[in-house]
Amino acid sequence: AQKITQTQPGMFVQEKEAVTLDCTYDTSDPSYGLFWYKQPSSGEMIFLIYQGSYDQQNATEGRYSLNFQKARKSANLVISASQLGDSAMYFCAMSPSNTGKLIFGQGTTLQVKP
Amino acid sequence: DVKVTQSSRYLVKRTGEKVFLECVQDMDHENMFWYRQDPGLGLRLIYFSYDVKMKEKGDIPEGYSVSREKKERFSLILESASTNQTSMYLCASSSPDRMNTEAFFGQGTRLTVV
Repeated sequence: AQKITQTQPGMFVQEKEAVTLDCTYDTSDPSYGLFWYKQPSSGEMIFLIYQGSYDQQNATEGRYSLNFQKARKSANLVISASQLGDSAMYFCAMSPSNTGKLIFGQGTTLQVKP
Repeated sequence: DVKVTQSSRYLVKRTGEKVFLECVQDMDHENMFWYRQDPGLGLRLIYFSYDVKMKEKGDIPEGYSVSREKKERFSLILESASTNQTSMYLCASSSPDRMNTEAFFGQGTRLTVV
């Protein structure tokens, strides 16, 4: 079965500190994509970062990096230097066989403390 | 600016009503998707379409249908709304040429069935 698991329903982080949001996935497809989205309280889904299953290097986008450990089937999101505006729900998602369809995890609510 | 627009942010409908949720994208994307978001469950795929007049069931299609008569528009239909369809509905689109990049989401429609 194809599945995404986010085991942290909620997390707190102090402003300016780094935080890691966990994500594990399950698929038997050799080709897949992994995504992280941010959903603020306003509801829109904001794309953060993408990692392909064949990518050798971990993806980075500004303050976001994806710690991709293929053998462990994990794709953790690292946010460096947290800002108050980072407070939101974060979703990990997988696109099996790069079909465009997304399988989402349950989400992690991140709160950044001043 | 790329855009996926959902016709309503909030809707309240009565049990048994036929409900139409409309989604329009201006990016000339072939792929369009309807997801439903519930607390603790993340987003789940209801239906998707890779082309005009084409539709395929996602993971939770029961109680829903879709229509795609034009490339830019993808409608989700609740044939007879029930209270267990109270949820946040999100439409997304993507390009098949760029499966490894993000899906673009609408702002969501929060539907309440009373």
